[in-house]
This record gives sequence, C-alpha cells and structure tokens, in this order.
Amino acid sequence: GQQVMQIPQYQHVQEGEDFTTYCNSSTTLSNIQWYKQRPGGHPVFLIQLVKSGEVKKQKRLTFQFGEAKKNSSLHITATQTTDVGTYFCAGGGATNKLIFGTGTLLAVQP
Amino acid sequence: DAGITQSPRHKVTETGTPVTLRCHQTENHRYMYWYRQDPGHGLRLIHYSYGVKDTDKGEVSDGYSVSRSKTEDFLLTLESATSSQTSVYFCAISTDGISNQPQHFGDGTRLSIL
Repeated sequence: GQQVMQIPQYQHVQEGEDFTTYCNSSTTLSNIQWYKQRPGGHPVFLIQLVKSGEVKKQKRLTFQFGEAKKNSSLHITATQTTDVGTYFCAGGGATNKLIFGTGTLLAVQP
Repeated sequence: DAGITQSPRHKVTETGTPVTLRCHQTENHRYMYWYRQDPGHGLRLIHYSYGVKDTDKGEVSDGYSVSRSKTEDFLLTLESATSSQTSVYFCAISTDGISNQPQHFGDGTRLSIL
C-alpha cells in the first residue's frame, strides 16, 4: 500500500539556524499537506500543495512539491523557539484518505 | 480552531473492558475520522465516516468499531481493550473526503490500558 516516509525523525538546532524536513512517497500523490503539532497539542493544518514543482511560502517557511509529485520538503529559515514541534507531511493519493508521514520533531535551543 | 470536542480527554482502564470515545463537531462537516498516534508511527487512520451511518475501515481497524448516528457525533469503541491499544486518539473532520481537503483535529484522548 501507499507509504509516506519522512526524514529526519528528530532535529535539534540552535535558534537562528535553518531546518529542513523531507517527505517521500512510494506512489505519485494528488497533493501533499503539511501539519504542525506542538508538544502536547493536536496537529494543525499549515498548507497544501497540488501542482508539480509547486513552491509556497509562509513567512519563514518554504514548502516544495517535487516535479514527480512523490516528494516534498519544508524549510524553515532562521528558526525561533516558537517553531518547536513535530512537523508532519500527509499525502493524498488514489484512495479517499490521507497518509501521514512519521513526522520530524524539531527542537530549538535558545 | 474548528469546533471539535473529544471526550474523555484522559482515560485509564483495564485489559478486557469496553471503552467508547466520543467526537462531537459543530461544523456540520460530512467527513469524520479517527486516528491513533504512537511514537515512530505518526498518525494512523482507524476508521472514517462519510455520512450518517456510513463508515469505512482505515489501515489499523482491527479491534475497533465505530458508529455515526448523527452528523455531529462519531463514536469509537474498543470492544475489549488490550494493552496494544494504549495510545493517543485523535478525531478529525473535513468538508469532503476527497483526500485533498485539509483535516481539522480535536485535542485528543490519551488512553491507557493496564
């Protein structure tokens, strides 16, 4: 079945450093969504990418969807302590469900 | 945040007992989902509903059943809880079940089976 892998599992950075998490699907996706979960909280929708090669920005966050629509990345420029949390990608495919990646836990040291 | 309420928020129970978790929404969204979240596994879909009395299985449905008698309520039942079902359970809703619609999550239920 469809699988979505995410790396790294954990990343520790100093405040001000950049951060990137990568998402790879075993099958072509119709779209990719990104969610953020703060410690002790629930996943919160950040953004959706639909088009091949699409790039979207939200302030310091840059999201990319690969040309083959099988991979995606989230890049945070100049991390802040408020960026702490787990970032999940979720791929939409042929089935009527989203398949979530395993998530990347970001720790930011002040 | 979307109007989603999960109850209870925390529960501790013993192996073999039945457990029911409730998800209540005030958004009138057609689709509702139950996920479990475990370290190293991300979010895994248990069951989902695409309307009143219309449900389908997700990837980890064994040992779970669901019911949806009203648009606003989606119940998840563990008929005979096992320790492997200790997890954090999240309910989510979306306007459409086509997988390109964002999902909005409740605050979760932390369930411990002793």
